[in-house]
Amino acid sequence: ELKVEQNPLFLSMQEGKNYTIYCNYSTTSDRLYWYRQDPGKSLESLFVLLSNGAVKQEGRLMASLDTKARLSTLHITAAVHDLSATYFCAVDGGSSNTGKLIFGQGTTLQVKP
Amino acid sequence: SQTIHQWPATLVQPVGSPLSLECTVEGTSNPNLYWYRQAAGRGLQLLFYSVGIGQISSEVPQNLSASRPQDRQFILSSKKLLLSDSGFYLCAWGQGWGATNEKLFFGSGTQLSVL
Repeated sequence: ELKVEQNPLFLSMQEGKNYTIYCNYSTTSDRLYWYRQDPGKSLESLFVLLSNGAVKQEGRLMASLDTKARLSTLHITAAVHDLSATYFCAVDGGSSNTGKLIFGQGTTLQVKP
Repeated sequence: SQTIHQWPATLVQPVGSPLSLECTVEGTSNPNLYWYRQAAGRGLQLLFYSVGIGQISSEVPQNLSASRPQDRQFILSSKKLLLSDSGFYLCAWGQGWGATNEKLFFGSGTQLSVL
């Protein structure tokens, strides 16, 4: 059974600081997804990582994928309050790219002024 | 452009009552459709998955069922709700798996409270 684990599950940080969220998964996959969820809202796609060594950046967020280590990271640079949200990573759990995403537990990020 | 509609946004139902949540997608044809549930403070759990009309895969045993009567319509149902059915239900669509730009697009969600 595919498992996706994130850590930390909760992160409180000061504005201006850097931090990294880790996403480990238990089976081989060359695709990994990061989503953002604001409280009571739907999920917004942040990044799609499609191959080993893939790195994508958008603003203060940068995501990377190491398929050999089965690890993805979401790095936050100089955090601002607007980044406060819950971040999910997900891996395709199907045997043939079915789009059946298996999600991690989520990391709730709280950025304090 | 493609859009996904999900309703209702909020629903409060008594235990033992039926349930029907509807999701429709516009601007695309033959999408893969998904129902996810998010319990309070938890991650997302895939409930159902469909690759076409009348084709439903159930991912976890439960008190719920799904149907796809039309290409872009996905319905989540229950005959008798349980307290444990409470949660945030999200419909999603995806297309082109295996291509470089595929991802899931999520609806706005339904917050279901079973009392």
